[in-house]
Amino acid sequence: DQQVKQNSPSLSVQEGRISILNCDYTNSMFDYFLWYKKYPAEGPTFLISISSIKDKNEDGRFTVFLNKSAKHLSLHIVPSQPGDSAVYFCAATPLRAGKSTFGDGTTLTVKP
Amino acid sequence: EPEVTQTPSHQVTQMGQEVILRCVPISNHLYFYWYRQILGQKVEFLVSFYNNEISEKSEIFDDQFSVERPDGSNFTLKIRSTKLEDSAMYFCASIPDRGGYGYTFGSGTRLTVV
Repeated sequence: DQQVKQNSPSLSVQEGRISILNCDYTNSMFDYFLWYKKYPAEGPTFLISISSIKDKNEDGRFTVFLNKSAKHLSLHIVPSQPGDSAVYFCAATPLRAGKSTFGDGTTLTVKP
Repeated sequence: EPEVTQTPSHQVTQMGQEVILRCVPISNHLYFYWYRQILGQKVEFLVSFYNNEISEKSEIFDDQFSVERPDGSNFTLKIRSTKLEDSAMYFCASIPDRGGYGYTFGSGTRLTVV
């Protein structure tokens, strides 16, 4: 029962261009959706989140879009930088501070 | 910036031995979690802890696992009798409150069971 799915295991983009990472979910009860970045041998680092009552949240170069009817969210990184190369996880969580459910991750490579 | 600290960074243990993984969450955070990531697989929830008791646990978190917050700062995960399949990165995380806060994760403990 994979409630959160990231269908693209990897993505490669050129420096300065837009990176778009996608995530789908099945459980309508999630209240928040989050994106994390992970470098090798480190713990995930929180990037940005969005409430289920919103459809867009922006923080600097990072924007998350939520399409509730399609149960789909995406993370846009503009402009992409080589330091953005990492594994990106989307996660979904209920309001009650219960467990977050993570996707499989997408490895982003930004080429100089 | 406040950090979640995990020790040790790497633990090698023999099958059947007990291990204790230690975490110091951020001091004013209220909710604490353990997750693990088996090599090449997704980050999996183990247990959440609030107000000095387990609030939720996964199927993975069976009788071999336990958590404690013995002194108000440390948060430990004990595996009583390790199995080969317990080999993974174990991450501790905390959040200040409910409401969609992103976890602050520690850098993890790599557990290798031989």
